[in-house]
Amino acid sequence: DVKVTQSSRYLVKRTGEKVFLECVQDMDHENMFWYRQDPGLGLRLIYFSYDVKMKEKGDIPEGYSVSREKKERFSLILESASTNQTSMYLCASSSPAGTGFNNEQFFGPGTRLTVL
Amino acid sequence: QKEVEQNSGPLSVPEGAIASLNCTYSDRGSQSFFWYRQYSGKSPELIMFIYSNGDKEDGRFTAQLNKASQYVSLLIRDSQPSDSATYLCSAGGTSYGKLTFGQGTILTVHP
Repeated sequence: DVKVTQSSRYLVKRTGEKVFLECVQDMDHENMFWYRQDPGLGLRLIYFSYDVKMKEKGDIPEGYSVSREKKERFSLILESASTNQTSMYLCASSSPAGTGFNNEQFFGPGTRLTVL
Repeated sequence: QKEVEQNSGPLSVPEGAIASLNCTYSDRGSQSFFWYRQYSGKSPELIMFIYSNGDKEDGRFTAQLNKASQYVSLLIRDSQPSDSATYLCSAGGTSYGKLTFGQGTILTVHP
């Protein structure tokens, strides 16, 4: 059974704290993604990675950074948490795109982060 | 900015009816289309994908793609209360497997 796991389901942090969200996949996928999900806004891509140590900005990277030191692990870092980063964070992974098509993304259970 | 737009919900249908969910996309380079279902408090799970123009059927679900009109739809036949969820439409090219998601449509199937 394929699996993407995230380190916490719920997290409460204070403004200004540095926050680490961890994601691990056991499918040997090259691609990994971090999204945030807010009501009415759908899933918005923060960062993604297509290989170890490789990372690319998504649509809303401001205030975030990422780290991928091992293929199975992709970390999202909030350098200085702010209240507007209160959200549901979802990690996903996929195998490389084929010729002319993408492959399915598998999602982790999500981390609901509250910044006070 | 590549966009995926879904018909605004919420959508409410009676049990046994056909639910129709629609989606348009702006990037003509998109080649892969995915419908995800997301139950409240849960993460998205894939229910259908489609790459070619036309219809694709899987049980009670049918995905339809019209690349000329940049339009994707999902039909759910014989809707059940267990189908009540948010449905996310997504589109992707081949750039590192990235997908762009719509804002989601909330479907409620009432007995």
